[in-house]
Amino acid sequence: QSVAQPEDQVNVAEGNPLTVKCTYSVSGNPYLFWYVQYPNRGLQFLLKYITGDNLVKGSYGFEAEFNKSQTSFHLKKPSALVSDSALYFCAVRDLAGNRLAFGKGNQVVVIP
Amino acid sequence: NAGVTQTPKFRVLKTGQSMTLLCAQDMNHEYMYWYRQDPGMGLRLIHYSVGEGTTAKGEVPDGYNVSRLKKQNFLLGLESAAPSQTSVYFCASSDHREQPQHFGDGTRLSIL
Repeated sequence: QSVAQPEDQVNVAEGNPLTVKCTYSVSGNPYLFWYVQYPNRGLQFLLKYITGDNLVKGSYGFEAEFNKSQTSFHLKKPSALVSDSALYFCAVRDLAGNRLAFGKGNQVVVIP
Repeated sequence: NAGVTQTPKFRVLKTGQSMTLLCAQDMNHEYMYWYRQDPGMGLRLIHYSVGEGTTAKGEVPDGYNVSRLKKQNFLLGLESAAPSQTSVYFCASSDHREQPQHFGDGTRLSIL
C-alpha cells in the first residue's frame, strides 16, 4: 500500500478554507488516517475512515472526504487558524496489514 | 497521562558505537512500532510488534534490532551506529491495528 501527498507546502490565509490532498493505493478496502505534527513533537491523530459515511469529522474542526472512485482522502477545514500551521500526514493500512504506510507530509502555513 | 514515553530525547554518538532507545507505554496496548523520520521522506517503519514476545521487520530494518520482553516496553538497538542512521526516531502504540497509533515525542539521534 502507498500514499501520495502531492504538495510539499500549502499556504493559506487565516480564515480561508484549508485543503490538504491525499491519494492512496491499496488492495481491498482501505483504512485511512490523518495525523498532525507540531514542531519537536510526535504525531497526533486527527481522524480516520474505516467504513460508512464518506465525510469524516475529526479533532480541531478538521474533516476529510473519502472518495473511492478517485482513491482520495483529502483533509479540509472551513476556516484556517494560525495555530493550524503544522506538518500533516496521511496514512493508509490495508485490511490484511498490521502497519501503516505514511505519506511524505504536507507543511501547512497559515498566514495571519 | 504519560501515554508513550521515549528515552533519551537527544543523543550524539560516534560511528561504530552502540546504543538502545527505550519506548514505554502505559495504555496496555498490544501493538508497538518504531519509525524514523527524515526530511522529505515522511515516516518509515523500522520494526514493529503485535504483542509481547513478538517482533517483525518493517520497511527499513537493516542496522537495527528490537525486543519486546514486556508488553509495555519496546526497545530499539543500534549495534554499530552509522552516519546514515542520523534521524529522529518515533515510537508508537495502538490497541488494535484499526485504531489510531499514539506517538511519543521522539528521540533525536546524531551520529558523527
